[in-house]
This record gives sequence, C-alpha cells and structure tokens, in this order.
Amino acid sequence: EIVLTQSPGTLSLSPGERATLSCRASQNVENNYLAWYQKKPGQPPRLLIDDAFRRAIGIPDRFSGSGSGTDFTLSITRLEPEDFAVYYCQQCATSPLTFGGGTRVEIK
Amino acid sequence: EVQLVESGGGLVQPGGSLRLSCVHSGLSSSSYWMSWVRQAPGKGLEWVAIIKQDGSDIHYAASVKGRFTISRDNAKNSVYLQMSSLRVEDTAVYFCAGGDGWTSSDWGQGTLVTVSS
Repeated sequence: EIVLTQSPGTLSLSPGERATLSCRASQNVENNYLAWYQKKPGQPPRLLIDDAFRRAIGIPDRFSGSGSGTDFTLSITRLEPEDFAVYYCQQCATSPLTFGGGTRVEIK
Repeated sequence: EVQLVESGGGLVQPGGSLRLSCVHSGLSSSSYWMSWVRQAPGKGLEWVAIIKQDGSDIHYAASVKGRFTISRDNAKNSVYLQMSSLRVEDTAVYFCAGGDGWTSSDWGQGTLVTVSS
C-alpha cells in the first residue's frame, strides 16, 4: 500500500498570501496519478487537480499542482477567503487507493 | 451535469448490516468508475471501494475487505455498498463518488452511518 504523508498538518496564513502544501508518497506513484481535493465541513470533497498538475473543470488558476514520482506539491497563490479548508492528496495509481492525512489551511 | 445522491444511512448495532445506495444521473462517459469514500467524525478521508463501469473490476480497502461488497446496476443508474459485520469504527459519512478512471471528479453529499449499541 502506498502511504501518503502530507505536510504541514496545519498552515496558518492570511488572505492574499501564498500556500504551499506537500504530499510525499512511500513509493513511486505511477504515471503521476496524484489528485488533490478541497474539503469543507458539511460539504463533499471537491476535485482540484488530477494527474499531479491538471486543473479540474472550473478550478481557478490560483490553484496549481506540481511534482512527480514521490514528491508532489499543491500551491495556492493569493489565498481567497473561500480557500480556507482542509486539503487532501490521493494516489489513484495503485490499489488500494489511498489518501493523505490532510493539511488544514486556516486563517492567521 | 453529473448528480450523485446517496441513501440508506442510519443507526445500526455492531455486527449488523446496512446497504447504501447511490443514484447517478448526467453521466456521459462510458468508462465511469464509481467509488465509496468515508470520513469518520473528526478524521480524514478514507477510500473504501471502487467498481468499473461494467462491474468487471472491483477493489477494496483492507479495512473493509470481506465485510463490504460494492455492486452496480446500470439499468437503474445505481451503485450499492452492502456492509456487513459492522463495527463501531465504521461510523462515518459515506460519500459516493465517480469519474473517468480512478480519480473522483463527481461527489454526492454523503450519508451518515452510525454503528452503536
């Protein structure tokens, strides 16, 4: 099983600042099948990025994904108030599919 | 627009069974995989199971293998999760999700399953 470790656990930032979230895999994620989701309380997860860098339909360009192999990054430039949430990475290359533990982006 | 609507959640005693349903509409892809993902209270997301469009390929998380069964009825636009031998630790909001391939681009609102005596 591929274990995904997200860091930091919590990121305290102000609106307008840049957020950089890390997702590290215990082994190579084939074809970089790595997705990022945003999760808010009482709402379902929202797909932001798939295949490590491809923005999902309707996702603003302030969200970007990068990385390959075992190290992946989600960047959010110029945080908007609605961006404060928990973010999860998921590897979709190998069964069992697995999620990281999440990074909470909170208002400083 | 794809819509997914879950139902079937509720309170069940440890050792009991429950069947979740997910009705989908608006699918345009012929290669649409369907998943169940859960989130226990105060915890992160946990992938549970996935099934291919034609039901020919199925995978489970180790934590549910042998106790949960995912299935689908394409004539009814539905996916199911039959849960047996339920444990307290299975308490969670269960989301139905789907997409082309294993990434889930579409999600339902979730249904709460509580396992308690």
